[in-house]
Amino acid sequence: DTAVSQTPKYLVTQMGNDKSIKCEQNLGHDTMYWYKQDSKKFLKIMFSYNNKELIINETVPNRFSPKSPDKAHLNLHINSLELGDSAVYFCASSQGVRGPNEKLFFGSGTQLSVL
Amino acid sequence: DAKTTQPPSMDCAEGRAANLPCNHSTISGNEYVYWYRQIHSQGPQYIIHGLKNNETNEMASLIITEDRKSSTLILPHATLRDTAVYYCIVRGRTQGGSEKLVFGKGTKLTVNP
Repeated sequence: DTAVSQTPKYLVTQMGNDKSIKCEQNLGHDTMYWYKQDSKKFLKIMFSYNNKELIINETVPNRFSPKSPDKAHLNLHINSLELGDSAVYFCASSQGVRGPNEKLFFGSGTQLSVL
Repeated sequence: DAKTTQPPSMDCAEGRAANLPCNHSTISGNEYVYWYRQIHSQGPQYIIHGLKNNETNEMASLIITEDRKSSTLILPHATLRDTAVYYCIVRGRTQGGSEKLVFGKGTKLTVNP
């Protein structure tokens, strides 16, 4: 059983399209995250949800809209895709937000290529 | 805005100890040092974390200097599967005050046969 699973693994699409990436965790964690890793391999946080409530939004364009239907799922919807959105997107989860034992468990990533 | 400095790359012979250094001279008193690694084409994996004392688990040991301005991750017997980018992270805060992990450039460790 995969702890944090995200789909699809690869996503190739045209500029201007709208796409979604899904993420699910079966760890019973309260907090979920989306990270973006660009071509230079920098890994940057985008969003974080705690019990379905948005707690971190790192000045991401509003074309990116996370949605958390329940605390086990955090999906990422992207409108009007641009070339610069091409990257690997990682979903992650952790038990909480502020505790010292905030170990993040990451999914295997979704490689998004915008043509 | 990573708060840590690591060498960009290191090499290690298989079976030998790999010692990965990290400088975090601006760390504050209540900030923890975390280590993650990212094996090629996979998501980052938690290794270990600590505040002041040295820590050890089944994966690695973490040595933190007394002034807490630097630390060393030790993989006691490196294997080829330990080849990865290793990230040293000091847990920071977002603009809104929430805490987050900020990943820097990391150290690319190559374990050679």
